[in-house]
Amino acid sequence: DQQVKQNSPSLSVQEGRISILNCDYTNSMFDYFLWYKKYPAEGPTFLISISSIKDKNEDGRFTVFLNKSAKHLSLHIVPSQPGDSAVYFCAASAIRDNFNKFYFGSGTKLNVKP
Amino acid sequence: DGGITQSPKYLFRKEGQNVTLSCEQNLNHDAMYWYRQDPGQGLRLIYYSQIVNDFQKGDIAEGYSVSREKKESFPLTVTSAQKNPTAFYLCASSRSMQPQHFGDGTRLSIL
Repeated sequence: DQQVKQNSPSLSVQEGRISILNCDYTNSMFDYFLWYKKYPAEGPTFLISISSIKDKNEDGRFTVFLNKSAKHLSLHIVPSQPGDSAVYFCAASAIRDNFNKFYFGSGTKLNVKP
Repeated sequence: DGGITQSPKYLFRKEGQNVTLSCEQNLNHDAMYWYRQDPGQGLRLIYYSQIVNDFQKGDIAEGYSVSREKKESFPLTVTSAQKNPTAFYLCASSRSMQPQHFGDGTRLSIL
């Protein structure tokens, strides 16, 4: 049973517009969340994280929002650029596991059209 | 330039044979991990190790084995007991309670 779900396998947006990628989780013990970006034939690279004591974390064009009551997080990319086209994974972990066990979603493939 | 090296990138083996996937890191990270990715699914944890000579099973450890004799190295053996070994395998490392750094993966195909 997947504890972290990304229900949209793909997303297509126009260059310059906002991209919103969504992620839902079921385990209320999760308190640390990350987004990774993956290009073809490469490993995932860390993008941005958020802990459960916050509801928003911003890094340049990337912002992650956390809604604990809904067990939902989202990644906003503004403005979207063609180089952002990749697969995005969300992941979650719990402090009780010393953040050693991460549960990953199945990924959303983002296509930013020029 | 620090990073994680997985080799080989593609690996083909006959059914019933054990195969070992290599993972080396020069980031001086204590923790190392092995994940498996299947089409349409997220990464699933096979094994992880927080220190040398110690490792823990993840969610799908059956049919796999690991060793951690050196801080830099965390090889994964896919044994003949693994019923469906064809997959993309990713190795990662991290400092304690920090985001993980990933290698570029090994695609294993069983003929």
